[in-house]
Amino acid sequence: KNQVEQSPQSLIILEGKNCTLQCNYTVSPFSNLRWYKQDTGRGPVSLTIMTFSENTKSNGRYTATLDADTKQSSLHITASQLSDSASYICVVSDRGSTLGRLYFGRGTQLTVWP
Amino acid sequence: EADIYQTPRYLVIGTGKKITLECSQTMGHDKMYWYQQDPGMELHLIHYSYGVNSTEKGDLSSESTVSRIRTEHFPLTLESARPSHTSQYLCASRGTGNTEAFFGQGTRLTVV
Repeated sequence: KNQVEQSPQSLIILEGKNCTLQCNYTVSPFSNLRWYKQDTGRGPVSLTIMTFSENTKSNGRYTATLDADTKQSSLHITASQLSDSASYICVVSDRGSTLGRLYFGRGTQLTVWP
Repeated sequence: EADIYQTPRYLVIGTGKKITLECSQTMGHDKMYWYQQDPGMELHLIHYSYGVNSTEKGDLSSESTVSRIRTEHFPLTLESARPSHTSQYLCASRGTGNTEAFFGQGTRLTVV
């Protein structure tokens, strides 16, 4: 069964600190993995996208890693800001269908305190 | 900034009413999706479309219906709203291939 599991479920950190969010998936055949940021009451916004051959990708203070062998990804946030408070969702796409089905994790709820 | 729009953003409606949630995108994307998301939970696919006149049901059973008469427009209709329909509804679109999915801002529906 294609699944995406994220941990931790929630996380509280102080402003300026770093944190790492985890994503494990069983989606096969794998196409790509995206991390989205979703502010409360809004739609998700893409942060990074990684394909099978990519190990690391950065977008400002966000750095995503992918280990396609162990089917694990992480999102590292550096020097956190109050505006980073949001839900971070790991989304994996398969390449086994024309639709390019998207599989969503439940998200990690990040809260940054001043 | 993604060019995909949902209206209304918030809707409170009485049981038994018919409602239509609007979703429009100006990117010319063929694939469009409707997801349902409860607080703290993952997104569940309820409908999708490959293109004009193509609609399919998703993974989560839903009493809603959709139509795709134009590429840019993918409305979702509930013929008779019930309190169990209270949720957030997110619309998304994607271009050809496994490109990024762009999401609308969502419609927060409350049925009283």
